[in-house]
Amino acid sequence: QSALTQPASVSGSPGQSITISCTGTSSDVGGYNYVSWYQQHPGKAPKLMIYDVSKRPSGVSNRFSGSKSGNTASLTISGLQAEDEADYYCSSYTSTTTRVFGGGTNLTVL
Amino acid sequence: QVQLQESGPGLVKPSETLSLTCTVSGGSISSYYWSWIRQPAGKGLEWIGRIYTSGSTNNNPSLKSRVTISVDTSKNQFSLKLSSVTAADTAVYYCARHRYYFGYWGQGTLVTVSS
Repeated sequence: QSALTQPASVSGSPGQSITISCTGTSSDVGGYNYVSWYQQHPGKAPKLMIYDVSKRPSGVSNRFSGSKSGNTASLTISGLQAEDEADYYCSSYTSTTTRVFGGGTNLTVL
Repeated sequence: QVQLQESGPGLVKPSETLSLTCTVSGGSISSYYWSWIRQPAGKGLEWIGRIYTSGSTNNNPSLKSRVTISVDTSKNQFSLKLSSVTAADTAVYYCARHRYYFGYWGQGTLVTVSS
């Protein structure tokens, strides 16, 4: 299975909004509403930020939102803050009941 | 609060078998899927495989023949065995609980493959 495609890096200034894309196929992202997003700070385990495309776990800021169109899912972070600087990974359920991750996106808050 | 803790040797010789255990506390291991995920230094996450508490498994096709995942519900643990390791298997290994998303993660354990 191939990894989902994410941009290697994105950046934004404090207060701005950024969007990270995650492109797959009809066998994963496009076929199911089971895309999730994870935030990972250096040396730490990933943290769930969005699940089932657009749902937020309890305790996650409403500045984080998710969406999907066709084979591409997106994570939007509004009102960027310094603490948002991290790596972000998308993940999807697949037609063979496996799981697949994106390559990761490094977010820099300028 | 569910907590997961990986354990096992931090150093494995090339061609040998990597063995890790994930111990689940704060909740039952039953009725969930449990996965192993790894991350080489400076690289992205790679899903290795998963097990349901019934014992059914599914693995990443790229690793399939080398991966064995098992569960011991009496000990609230599940385990990973990765055979014929090479330097490319050096990574931080995470265990995680999931259904369609990974809601709980262990802190990760670094496994280095070197002679």
